[in-house]
Amino acid sequence: GQNIDQPTEMTATEGAIVQINCTYQTSGFNGLFWYQQHAGEAPTFLSYNVLDGLEEKGRFSSFLSRSKGYSYLLLKELQMKDSASYLCAPMDSNYQLIWGAGTKLIIKP
Amino acid sequence: GAVVSQHPSWVICKSGTSVKIECRSLDFQATTMFWYRQFPKQSLMLMATSNEGSKATYEQGVEKDKFLINHASLTLSTLTVTSAHPEDSSFYICSANSGGEVETQYFGPGTRLLVL
Repeated sequence: GQNIDQPTEMTATEGAIVQINCTYQTSGFNGLFWYQQHAGEAPTFLSYNVLDGLEEKGRFSSFLSRSKGYSYLLLKELQMKDSASYLCAPMDSNYQLIWGAGTKLIIKP
Repeated sequence: GAVVSQHPSWVICKSGTSVKIECRSLDFQATTMFWYRQFPKQSLMLMATSNEGSKATYEQGVEKDKFLINHASLTLSTLTVTSAHPEDSSFYICSANSGGEVETQYFGPGTRLLVL
């Protein structure tokens, strides 16, 4: 079957760094997306990884290890507005995104 | 770039009425659009995949006669919830594939439906 495993909730302090881990199992693999979803809003695209390694984009970086079925999203210099759910979504062999419940990140001052 | 709009953003209707939701890709052409539903504190649930000019592909358990999808052009897909009931109250979100080397899904802002 296909499944995604992310922590349900994480708490971090403003200005700090947090790493959100994701392990996945899919039928085939065509890359992995990270989305941010604020409460009551639709998801917004953050990053895409298809090759192993780290992709850096400003304060956000995403890492992928295909052999381990593992990815993480690294958020630096946390701001209060980063409080949101973060969705790890691998793409299967049919180019369909597989969605989990995401990780709710709470930022405290 | 890659902006997707949805209209309306909020709908409140009586049970038994039909509700139409529009999804538009504003600055790109989308051969494929997706319709999702999300209940509070739950994950996104794909309802159907809509391809321009052809019939939509519905996920298991989604009634095609209740959720009518039309993808009339490369920039417009519509979802009609027919004879809506309170259990259809949810957050409906569309997304569109940007195409290109990496087919990234960009989401519309969503439509919150409340059926009384």
